[in-house]
Amino acid sequence: TQLLEQSPQFLSIQEGENLTVYCNSSSVFSSLQWYRQEPGEGPVLLVTVVTGGEVKKLKRLTFQFGDARKDSSLHITAAQPGDTGLYLCAGALSPSGGYNKLIFGAGTRLAVHP
Amino acid sequence: DTGVSQNPRHKITKRGQNVTFRCDPISEHNRLYWYRQTLGQGPEFLTYFQNEAQLEKSRLLSDRFSAERPKGSFSTLEIQRTEQGDSAMYLCASSAGQASTDTQYFGPGTRLTVL
Repeated sequence: TQLLEQSPQFLSIQEGENLTVYCNSSSVFSSLQWYRQEPGEGPVLLVTVVTGGEVKKLKRLTFQFGDARKDSSLHITAAQPGDTGLYLCAGALSPSGGYNKLIFGAGTRLAVHP
Repeated sequence: DTGVSQNPRHKITKRGQNVTFRCDPISEHNRLYWYRQTLGQGPEFLTYFQNEAQLEKSRLLSDRFSAERPKGSFSTLEIQRTEQGDSAMYLCASSAGQASTDTQYFGPGTRLTVL
């Protein structure tokens, strides 16, 4: 059974603080996506990382893919109330046929207080 | 709006009734996926279509569930004899089927409540 463990589950911080969310698995993924989901809506893609060791930056968000492509992290610098939401990591497995089956973590619910 | 659309957005039904959801993928995306998300969890893979062919079904998809994509464009997910445990958000995603990343784009979901 493929499992993607995401931590922490909940994070409540003050505006301006830094935070890191982790995703860990024993499975090797062909790529890993980070999504953000608002209540009652579908996940919205933030970034895709493909290469082991890859680092991508999106404004105050930094995403890293582990060297072995089994884990990833999301670091937010100087968090703002607008960052509040559910952050999901999803590892892509590629069964024969070339398509990607996403295995999601349980999510990290982030609350940033003014 | 050229994103993935899903209808209805919300469905409340009584146990034992049948329900059908529709997904319209991004135009010309040949890959379509259904996921289910329960409260406090991430989405779980249900099934995958490439064009009109259903190429993988999860064990989560019991025989009460059936999905179709008859012309390789929109897809429907039907649940027969609904049970309270079927209450969840049903998400559809599509992708272009290109190599390496093949990013999946999600619709807004259909929230099903079974009373």
